[in-house]
Amino acid sequence: GGIITQTPKFLIGQEGQKLTLKCQQNFNHDTMYWYRQDSGKGLRLIYYSITENDLQKGDLSEGYDASREKKSSFSLTVTSAQKNEMAVFLCASSTGVQDTQYFGPGTRLLVL
Amino acid sequence: DAKTTQPDSMESTEGETVHLPCSHATISGNEYIYWYRQVPLQGPEYVTHGLQQNTTNSMAFLAIASDRKSSTLILPHVSLRDAAVYHCILSHQGGSAKLIFGEGTKLTVSS
Repeated sequence: GGIITQTPKFLIGQEGQKLTLKCQQNFNHDTMYWYRQDSGKGLRLIYYSITENDLQKGDLSEGYDASREKKSSFSLTVTSAQKNEMAVFLCASSTGVQDTQYFGPGTRLLVL
Repeated sequence: DAKTTQPDSMESTEGETVHLPCSHATISGNEYIYWYRQVPLQGPEYVTHGLQQNTTNSMAFLAIASDRKSSTLILPHVSLRDAAVYHCILSHQGGSAKLIFGEGTKLTVSS
């Protein structure tokens, strides 16, 4: 087994601020993902990475940057937080891009 | 985008066996049927998946119709901890990396 850790659990930002979310996994998985979940809605893929230093854009990459510093970690940056934005950012990992994805607990973002 | 259809909600009582249906009439040959569940303030939790054969694990039994156009997640002897939104997803559509979650079925378990 393994675990995915996301930090911080809660993030409050100001409009226009650059905000960074971090994700760590100890599954030794090659592929990692960032999704955004808005209240009562499904998940939208922001970025994914199939191996260290790889980045692939998802459906919602505009307004975000990502960085796969090493195999076990994947960071997401909100380049300019939007006022009244509220969402949950979920990190996931899988052995390969075709394999079962396991999720972290999420980071809850609120922009004032 | 969603290619699955599930009931909005289902109710059950502790100890019952619950059958959660999912319709996926346009499923392609290379698409897996995945089930995740999610409770408030948590990320989605993997439950099970299958391609063609029925599968079973410690959490659930997945029954897949012979034509693969529908499936049923069977939760034996549910407890209060099984209350969640259950999502039926077709994964790896056309080799895509993303999981497309719909609204899912909200399962309520009463004591």
